[in-house]
Amino acid sequence: DIQMTQSPSSLSASGGDRVTITCRASQDISKSLAWYQQKPGKAPKFLLFAASRLESGVPSRFSGSGSGTDYTLTISSLQPEDFATYYCQQYYTTPLTFGGGTKVEIK
Amino acid sequence: QVQLQESGPGLVKPSETLSLTCTVSPYSINSAYYWGWIRQSPGRGLEWIGSIYHSGSTYYNPSLKSRVTISIDMSKNQFSLKLSSVTAADTAVYYCARGRFTYGFSEYYFDYWGQGTLVTVSS
Repeated sequence: DIQMTQSPSSLSASGGDRVTITCRASQDISKSLAWYQQKPGKAPKFLLFAASRLESGVPSRFSGSGSGTDYTLTISSLQPEDFATYYCQQYYTTPLTFGGGTKVEIK
Repeated sequence: QVQLQESGPGLVKPSETLSLTCTVSPYSINSAYYWGWIRQSPGRGLEWIGSIYHSGSTYYNPSLKSRVTISIDMSKNQFSLKLSSVTAADTAVYYCARGRFTYGFSEYYFDYWGQGTLVTVSS
């Protein structure tokens, strides 16, 4: 199985801050990476695919980058509604696997 | 807007079979997408259980394959999960979701999710 490791596991930030979350795969996944946002008690919400392609309707302050084994999700200016937990998922091969999550908290 | 809704018992006894159904609306399940089950627990995080393609082909996580069956009912626009011989370790929130693939990639991600249903395994 491909292991997905996210860092940090949590971070504290203020509104307006630029936030970067990292996801590392245990092998090259050729940009087969999606990002999700999850708020307490809710299902994950799909944000990006192919490492950097924003889903329709997702604010442009979200962006993704990376290749090979290393990927990042960046929020350019943190908004109140962005405080949540973020997950990456590889879809290079089955079994599909998710990262452990990064919780973005209010400083 | 695709909507998915999980339904099924919230409490299952150890060694019994967990059964859940996902109803999709208003989108037809008979379309070129995968329909998947994912679960989430504090100990295991998000775990892909398996998926079914509209053709009926199934794909399971090897870690659960011996206990999982996913099926599809086009007439009801539903797909279902059965997980046999459950233990406390199967206690989790179970989600159904639509899997979307894009040209040039091998597998798929999940673009629409149900709200999730908590299933507790306990006697």
